[in-house]
Parts: sequence; C-alpha cells; structure tokens
Amino acid sequence: DAKTTQPPSMDCAEGRAANLPCNHSTISGNEYVYWYRQIHSQGPQYIIHGLKNNETNEMASLIITEDRKSSTLILPHATLRDTAVYYCIVLSETSGSRLTFGEGTQLTVNP
Amino acid sequence: NAGVTQTPKFRVLKTGQSMTLLCAQDMNHEYMYWYRQDPGMGLRLIHYSVGEGTTAKGEVPDGYNVSRLKKQNFLLGLESAAPSQTSVYFCASRTFWANVLTFGAGSRLTVL
Repeated sequence: DAKTTQPPSMDCAEGRAANLPCNHSTISGNEYVYWYRQIHSQGPQYIIHGLKNNETNEMASLIITEDRKSSTLILPHATLRDTAVYYCIVLSETSGSRLTFGEGTQLTVNP
Repeated sequence: NAGVTQTPKFRVLKTGQSMTLLCAQDMNHEYMYWYRQDPGMGLRLIHYSVGEGTTAKGEVPDGYNVSRLKKQNFLLGLESAAPSQTSVYFCASRTFWANVLTFGAGSRLTVL
C-alpha cells in the first residue's frame, strides 16, 4: 500500500473552510484514498473515500489531483466540533486487509 | 443496531496479570481489527482477522494473542501484562469489499 505524508498540525478559523492536504506520490492505479478522523478519546470515524474523481458527502469533499499523487480533504464550514486528528490512508480494495494508520494531521478549529 | 461493542471500557491490572478484551460486532462483518493508541500517538495495528478461525499479526503483535472463534467476536488477550501495555485499545470491523472501518469506543487499560 502507498505511503502517505500529512502535515502534523493545522489551524482553521471557525466558519471557514479547512483544507487538509495529503501526499501519496507512490499511489498505484487500483488504490483508493480514504479519510478518517478521530475526535479526542473516541474511536476513529470514516469520512470519505475516492479513486480519481472528486467526491462529496454530507461531511466533506475530497479533491484528488489529476495525477493522483496528492489529495485534499475539505471541510467547507469548519466548526469547533471538527477539531480532531485526520488520517489519510491509501489502499486497494482487494489488499486492504492489513489496514494501518499513520500519524495524521491535528486540525484545531479556533473560535 | 449496536455496531462495535468493546468490553470492558476500563481496567486496571498489576504487572503479570492476564486479561481478555472482548470485541463484538453485529454487522456481519468479515474483517476485524485490534489497535492500540498511546498518548499523543497514532493507531498501531496489533492483530487482525479476515474471517472466523483466522488471525494475522499486525505492526505490534508481541505480548498479545487473539482468537476469532465466532464471526461476531474478536478477543484480545494479554497473558502477562506489562506497564508498556498501558494504552487505549480500539477494535474495528469492516466488510471484505470496502475499507470503511467501524470502530468501537475504546478500552482504556492501565498496567501498574
């Protein structure tokens, strides 16, 4: 599975968009980009995933570059409750049984 | 629909004692996982299972054993607890066809 690189921390003002980057330059053609987040002391929560097209759901949008070597998770109107560690993971659908997490990005939403 | 349930939620052990953490899921998921998370650190995979009767080692398997005798349950055992095993343990499950994990609320273990 491809390795990912994320900044260790980011800040965002409440009500503004939070844009969380992830680099995955070794991604292969059948690998998806997954995003999870972990609010303090809770179990991680799935947010969104995509292969090559941009994706949007009720929680966030995922923008994947055309060469698929990087992606950005967008929280359009960040709230204080979005303060969490955000994990970007790259996996293929068929070989993802051993699912590991990196260090993630600590997003702090400030009032 | 309870999702993933972990028991116990909290436990304090003395060095050398043994215990078992239970993870139960009611979503008929094939895959189940045990992770540990130390303060200020990310999740590390201990063991996982791709089906009833099968288990595999993750990143940090030493000092732990697991069993998956029933599809809905995944047990994590500590035979001789050590202070280094003080951590929060998370269980997760998913179907075989999607990498969307459902996590439990965590079990906080302290080894004195």
